[in-house]
Amino acid sequence: DSGVTQTPKHLITATGQRVTLRCSPRSGDLSVYWYQQSLDQGLQFLIQYYNGEERAKGNILERFSAQQFPDLHSELNLSSLELGDSALYFCASSAAGGWATNEKLFFGSGTQLSVL
Amino acid sequence: GIQVEQSPPDLILQEGANSTLRCNFSDSVNNLQWFHQNPWGQLINLFYIPSGTKQNGRLSATTVATERYSLLYISSSQTTDSGVYFCAVEQKLVFGTGTRLLVSP
Repeated sequence: DSGVTQTPKHLITATGQRVTLRCSPRSGDLSVYWYQQSLDQGLQFLIQYYNGEERAKGNILERFSAQQFPDLHSELNLSSLELGDSALYFCASSAAGGWATNEKLFFGSGTQLSVL
Repeated sequence: GIQVEQSPPDLILQEGANSTLRCNFSDSVNNLQWFHQNPWGQLINLFYIPSGTKQNGRLSATTVATERYSLLYISSSQTTDSGVYFCAVEQKLVFGTGTRLLVSP
């Protein structure tokens, strides 16, 4: 068990809908990272939050947004969903992740999103 | 951006065999990690190894940062080693395409 909790484990929805994925980092970790794993794109970094503030942005679509709350849990919001958004979405956390470049990341078990 | 290539893409082993997985990266890095994604999809951090050599049981990893590659060694493979092995570089993790390993009994 990595200590990172993601809910829900599975989500099935229809095109055009909006969903929210939730992540609780390991106790004490300040950084949360979101990744998308799809068959055609592989594992891709979406966005990082550090202590409530956006720290780095990757290949995140404008239809997607995220935030990190004062209790350090994070939510990834996906709107106007398309078939191609079907993927496994991972959250990871690390202790700092501010300007540190030597930290291990610990991953949650992922949320499998199916858009029908 | 930095490119990460892994080889081989697929590997089939008999239980008990040894294997070496390779990760090449296109630029110098301060962070390199190896992950195992098990058949249930979970990503498990095996090593944080930006340079040098580490060992953990039957697994060991070596990164030669000056030559921009890392190797993951699996000895005496077991069926539970099956899955996909990824290397990833940089703090926000740029992942390679992975090596899919199948260990048969």
